[in-house]
Amino acid sequence: AQSVTQLGSHVSVSEGALVLLRCNYSSSVPPYLFWYVQYPNQGLQLLLKYTTGATLVKGINGFEAEFKKSETSFHLTKPSAHMSDAAEYFCAVSDYSGAGSYQLTFGKGTKLSVIP
Amino acid sequence: EAGVTQFPSHSVIEKGQTVTLRCDPISGHDNLYWYRRVMGKEIKFLLHFVKESKQDESGMPNNRFLAERTGGTYSTLKVQPAELEDSGVYFCASSQKRTGFFVEQYFGPGTRLTVT
Repeated sequence: AQSVTQLGSHVSVSEGALVLLRCNYSSSVPPYLFWYVQYPNQGLQLLLKYTTGATLVKGINGFEAEFKKSETSFHLTKPSAHMSDAAEYFCAVSDYSGAGSYQLTFGKGTKLSVIP
Repeated sequence: EAGVTQFPSHSVIEKGQTVTLRCDPISGHDNLYWYRRVMGKEIKFLLHFVKESKQDESGMPNNRFLAERTGGTYSTLKVQPAELEDSGVYFCASSQKRTGFFVEQYFGPGTRLTVT
């Protein structure tokens, strides 16, 4: 069975400071890894994903994440936080098989607050 | 192009009553997923349709939950009778059916269900 652990249900950073949201996973097969973001009153939006290839992946809004197999981690970072980054972030894993459909296993989410 | 829509956005019902949630996927998306987030917990998979067929309903909590997708378009999720522990946010997601390629799941804004 797959699982995802997100360290910290709430994270606060100052505007302009580094954003680091932690995610560790467990999977018995090579995983596909995702970060989703949910802004208030909106659906989940895919921020970035790791499937195969380069372990450092870049997403939207300046976010990036690095897949570290040895550490079973997929931490999300952004060099400089903006007020608009305040949202809830979800890490997810899938055993995507290439068949075009897959089930996501999510972490509990991390609410990011950005302090002016 | 319209995104995934869900109705209602909020529903408050009493224990023992029936509630039906609706999801309209993105037009042309054969895959439709239901997920649920109970407060304080992670988002969990409920079931997956491919067109009108249930592909995987391993996440359905019990037989009080009934999902349908008649005609392979919109889907409904009925809870009958509702219990207190059914409270949470119910998300719907849809994706194209393309083998050999990664396809993104697009999420709706969710329906917040409160059972009192």
